[in-house]
Amino acid sequence: AQSVAQPEDQVNVAEGNPLTVKCTYSVSGNPYLFWYVQYPNRGLQFLLKYITGDNLVKGSYGFEAEFNKSQTSFHLKKPSALVSDSALYFCAVRDEGGQGGSYIPTFGRGTSLIVHP
Amino acid sequence: DGGITQSPKYLFRKEGQNVTLSCEQNLNHDAMYWYRQDPGQGLRLIYYSQIVNDFQKGDIAEGYSVSREKKESFPLTVTSAQKNPTAFYLCASSTVLNQPQHFGDGTRLSIL
Repeated sequence: AQSVAQPEDQVNVAEGNPLTVKCTYSVSGNPYLFWYVQYPNRGLQFLLKYITGDNLVKGSYGFEAEFNKSQTSFHLKKPSALVSDSALYFCAVRDEGGQGGSYIPTFGRGTSLIVHP
Repeated sequence: DGGITQSPKYLFRKEGQNVTLSCEQNLNHDAMYWYRQDPGQGLRLIYYSQIVNDFQKGDIAEGYSVSREKKESFPLTVTSAQKNPTAFYLCASSTVLNQPQHFGDGTRLSIL
């Protein structure tokens, strides 16, 4: 079975400071990993993905994520947070081989990022 | 611009009533999905469809029904059997392989 955990319900950071939103996963094969952002009363927007290759993935709006196979983690990072980054962030994982023949990703419960001015 | 359109944005249901949420995409994606979002629970999969005229139950399909008569459209009906329908409903689409999902802006369903 595939699963994903976001251990923090909320992350608080001051504007201009670096931010990290944590994600760990479990799959039986190789993972496909995704980060999405959701603003209030909106759908999810894709930020970045890891399929294969370089462990450091760069995405939209200055975000990046580091894939760590030994720790089964895919933490989202940004060097300098903005107040406008305040939103709900979701990590998602899918097994490369497809669980039960499907390719449906599993989403974490989300982490609320609050950036203080 | 290509994208996914969900309508209406807000919907109210009376007791014993079925309501239908619309989802249309012009991205030429084969796969479409319906999720339910409740505070603190993330996204839970209701139904998904990989191809026209075929769909599969997700984790919480009871009280819901779908159809996929056209590639572009994947409407969700919330039936009177769904006793706790108040939630934010999200529709998504994707290509079959390792690409991310595209989401609509959701429909918020409430009980009158």
